[in-house]
Amino acid sequence: DAMVIQNPRYQVTQFGKPVTLSCSQTLNHNVMYWYQQKSSQAPKLLFHYYDKDFNNEADTPDNFQSRRPNTSFCFLDIRSPGLGDAAMYLCATSRPSGADTQYFGPGTRLTVL
Amino acid sequence: AQSVSQHNHHVILSEAASLELGCNYSYGGTVNLFWYVQYPGQHLQLLLKYFSGDPLVKGIKGFEAEFIKSKFSFNLRKPSVQWSDTAEYFCALYGNNRLAFGKGNQVVVIP
Repeated sequence: DAMVIQNPRYQVTQFGKPVTLSCSQTLNHNVMYWYQQKSSQAPKLLFHYYDKDFNNEADTPDNFQSRRPNTSFCFLDIRSPGLGDAAMYLCATSRPSGADTQYFGPGTRLTVL
Repeated sequence: AQSVSQHNHHVILSEAASLELGCNYSYGGTVNLFWYVQYPGQHLQLLLKYFSGDPLVKGIKGFEAEFIKSKFSFNLRKPSVQWSDTAEYFCALYGNNRLAFGKGNQVVVIP
């Protein structure tokens, strides 16, 4: 089945230790998104790629970076995780129209010790 | 900027009861509205969506939602819930090149 895959499902890191979360898709969608979701809160868009064009949300901290080496893969890098970065990180994809349905991965639960 | 409000974050009801979840939005442009559902241990998935046309939208698993422009609302309904409807439900609006989510409704259906 075509899908959005996130690895790992659970990630534990230490305060200040860089971490990378991975997302891959078999849908061949142009657009890939990264969301942060904290407990009892709405998913919050961090940034998205339209093909190789990177679009950062204005309030996304500089601590968060992303890479998209090809259509299928997208990475979220957190350079110096703080305790406040502990959250579920969701990857999603969509066709070129952002108003189209977004397809979500299962998420990566990040714990910062 | 757009915003989405969902109230009554926790909803507990018995099987066969009717469910209605409220969603109100704030946005000045053309609205594209969605309800997503997240079953326990699973990923977010689309329940239904409204772009234009008939304001009463039918989705999967017997859910429907009604877009009422004058009330800035897109409420979700199901006449008779099942235990398997236990999930978190998110209303979302697409505008300004991004999808804005509400905080979600945690729905628990008791057998």
